[in-house]
Amino acid sequence: KNEVEQSPQNLTAQEGEFITINCSYSVGISALHWLQQHPGGGIVSLFMLSSGKKKHGRLIATINIQEKHSSLHITASHPRDSAVYICAVILSARQLTFGSGTQLTVLP
Amino acid sequence: GAGVSQSPSNKVTEKGKDVELRCDPISGHTALYWYRQRLGQGLEFLIYFQGNSAPDKSGLPSDRFSAERTGESVSTLTIQRTQQEDSAVYLCASSLATVMNTEAFFGQGTRLTVV
Repeated sequence: KNEVEQSPQNLTAQEGEFITINCSYSVGISALHWLQQHPGGGIVSLFMLSSGKKKHGRLIATINIQEKHSSLHITASHPRDSAVYICAVILSARQLTFGSGTQLTVLP
Repeated sequence: GAGVSQSPSNKVTEKGKDVELRCDPISGHTALYWYRQRLGQGLEFLIYFQGNSAPDKSGLPSDRFSAERTGESVSTLTIQRTQQEDSAVYLCASSLATVMNTEAFFGQGTRLTVV
């Protein structure tokens, strides 16, 4: 079993829909990153969170450390949100362990 | 610079040749990471530098891979005698400290193709 599980693997939505991507992990962690990988390969860090909820524009990330679960929400989705979204957890002081990613396609 | 810069952005090399990939981290970032992403797969940790401490090389897949970083400056990842399975996007990231406490900023990656 992977230490970090993301779901769904693929998600297609219509423009304007509310989107949720889930991340579950099997070990205790202190923090978690949500990353966005664009079609060209570049990666952008969206959030780093260790508790509660963070919001940036139309993006919202939540984490429940006790339940070992985090969600990334996108409100009023837009085609430019199409990308791979990756959850990464911090298992040690030195490196991130990545989920396999969720490919999101938002259709106009 | 404003972000993490990697060069070259694309590299095609013949099997058996050596390649050198470069990463310029954000100024002031003490931590630098190299990751690899093979086609259709997730990100794999390769190596981690933190200031002047000994690097964590636990992710390097073979002794053909090596990396250097002087202080808090540029890092180079060298792959000797490249093999086709080395074809991947090599990503560099830097952060102010360890990823325990701060966000990691990623470069655009170097797409390596071994033919």
